Amino acid sequence: QVHLVQSGAEVKKPGSSVRVSCKASGGTFNNYSISWVRQAPGQGLEWMGGIIPLFGTTRYAQKFQGRVTITADESTSTAYMELSSLRSEDTALYYCAKGPFYYDPSGYPTPESFHFWGQGTLVTVSS
Amino acid sequence: EIVLTQSPDFQSVTPKEKVTITCRASQSIGSSLHWYQQKPDQSPKLLIKFASQSFSGVPSRFSGSGSGTDFTLTINSLEAEDAATYYCHQSSSLPTFGGGTKVEIK
Repeated sequence: QVHLVQSGAEVKKPGSSVRVSCKASGGTFNNYSISWVRQAPGQGLEWMGGIIPLFGTTRYAQKFQGRVTITADESTSTAYMELSSLRSEDTALYYCAKGPFYYDPSGYPTPESFHFWGQGTLVTVSS
Repeated sequence: EIVLTQSPDFQSVTPKEKVTITCRASQSIGSSLHWYQQKPDQSPKLLIKFASQSFSGVPSRFSGSGSGTDFTLTINSLEAEDAATYYCHQSSSLPTFGGGTKVEIK
């Protein structure tokens, strides 16, 4: 049984950074992708980026390029998402999601479907 | 970026009725289209992968079809527990999601 357990809620000031963790248990950690998906209050799902721990390769949505960093620690089966220069619009529930990956036409590993999801971490940005 | 457009945005349905949700991609994505269910205050759950493959443990009343740019999620004989918002997601290129379809039980 795969479980993804995320760190607790955060309240941050505008301009600061936040780091959210996602610890995986059950199943293989390295040979899958871990993505981060956020959901603003009352809104839909938005993919931010992902990592393939086996290769350490990352891919980010253009919207978040330069502001988000996704890392993974294989020794603890934990993935991290750090978002910087926070603004009020970043207030959202942040999910990690685990699933297979595939190689895109340029040979770069890319997340596929999201089989398992964490419970979500609420990040509130407020002055 | 590939844009996914879902319709309708909202649907109010009586139990045992059939529900059809569509997802249209802004360019051809083959069968790289997946469907998720999100109930209130819960994390999303994968229902269908690659347009028509049921994920493990998903009730058989959920099915998917389509390829290229047009896809459909069908819920046969809706049950009260199916009240949720449904999202499509493409993995043909960097992932994107549709805007969601909220299904309410009458």
